[in-house]
Amino acid sequence: EPEVTQTPSHQVTQMGQEVILRCVPISNHLYFYWYRQILGQKVEFLVSFYNNEISEKSEIFDDQFSVERPDGSNFTLKIRSTKLEDSAMYFCASSTLTGAKVETFFGQGTRLTVV
Amino acid sequence: TQLLEQSPQFLSIQEGENLTVYCNSSSVFSSLQWYRQEPGEGPVLLVTVVTGGEVKKLKRLTFQFGDARKDSSLHITAAQPGDTGLYLCARPRGYGNNRLAFGKGNQVVVIP
Repeated sequence: EPEVTQTPSHQVTQMGQEVILRCVPISNHLYFYWYRQILGQKVEFLVSFYNNEISEKSEIFDDQFSVERPDGSNFTLKIRSTKLEDSAMYFCASSTLTGAKVETFFGQGTRLTVV
Repeated sequence: TQLLEQSPQFLSIQEGENLTVYCNSSSVFSSLQWYRQEPGEGPVLLVTVVTGGEVKKLKRLTFQFGDARKDSSLHITAAQPGDTGLYLCARPRGYGNNRLAFGKGNQVVVIP
């Protein structure tokens, strides 16, 4: 069964360092997303991406964050200068459609720990 | 603003018992998704409900969408330890219903 895959599964980084989280969405999907979940809190939307550009972003997604689809299969989230509060699980997701019948599938996540 | 309220937040039951958890909102939603999440893993999509009053079954799980499309319930019959997990409801939001807004979840623990 097709699935969203994310690498790495765990990443530990020092505060101020740049990190790149990688995702391979489901191959026939057109919409890609990043969400995050701080320990014990809700899953929160960060950004959506369609047709090689950002379609929507949340207030969390500030200038320290960027996304890219460098080739036909990968989708990346870059955090330029990590802060302690960026520690969270980061989930990549993809869907074929938007609208009421959207079905969004999530990857297993990358656990980012900023020390 | 809490768009989706899930209750109860935590529920512990014995294997073989039935349980129902709820997802409520003060506003109408176009659809609702239920996910299950295990510790350290991503949410796994269980079902999407779209039509008011709709009932969907997935083995021992029964999902219902309220007639007014403001609430949903998940009922588990004869719960098994494998049903343990965090059940999340989510609704489309934003431009083109392009993103999901999640509730805090119903943590279910089934004791063998």
